[in-house]
Amino acid sequence: AQKITQTQPGMFVQEKEAVTLDCTYDTSDPSYGLFWYKQPSSGEMIFLIYQGSYDQQNATEGRYSLNFQKARKSANLVISASQLGDSAMYFCAMREGDTSGTYKYIFGTGTRLKVLA
Amino acid sequence: GAGVSQSPRYKVAKRGQDVALRCDPISGHVSLFWYQQALGQGPEFLTYFQNEAQLDKSGLPSDRFFAERPEGSVSTLKIQRTQQEDSAVYLCASSPKGRVSGNTIYFGEGSWLTVV
Repeated sequence: AQKITQTQPGMFVQEKEAVTLDCTYDTSDPSYGLFWYKQPSSGEMIFLIYQGSYDQQNATEGRYSLNFQKARKSANLVISASQLGDSAMYFCAMREGDTSGTYKYIFGTGTRLKVLA
Repeated sequence: GAGVSQSPRYKVAKRGQDVALRCDPISGHVSLFWYQQALGQGPEFLTYFQNEAQLDKSGLPSDRFFAERPEGSVSTLKIQRTQQEDSAVYLCASSPKGRVSGNTIYFGEGSWLTVV
């Protein structure tokens, strides 16, 4: 079973509008971290935002916020005031086992976001 | 530079050829990861080092794949007798501590391998 599911292969958003990218996850480990990365065409994975499983509040980083709904096992990324430079591939990822010795990141299949002028 | 550096950035290999991909992590970083990203897919874990120790190699797809980090800094991913299905971007990442917590790891720009 997939542990990270991104159901939107592609999304369009108008410049200056907000957009939500969906992510659901599956784990039995009580300690985990959730991440969003941006991957432009250059290939580099750029960290956007992190949410720990024990964090009480939703994470925010500038225009990025993570809508963490633990009971539903969802971790949607919200980008406010979209900019043309936001056009890229976006990956949701999970790191299980914060209390164990190795830290394997599991990625979803990604959502390609296109911001329209 | 200050980031994770990978070389070569692009490699075209003939099927059956051996290739070596190099990763220079951020100086002083303890943890180092290799990921494989096939076209249109998310990255998939290959292997993890803590200093020179390879603690997890469960993601290596076959015994043709070998990774090392002999002095706990630079790492090399070697693929022997390359096959077309090995075509992918190989991403290296590093993290400052052995126990990765909170924030994140830092990725390089990847080595794009095409096997023809």
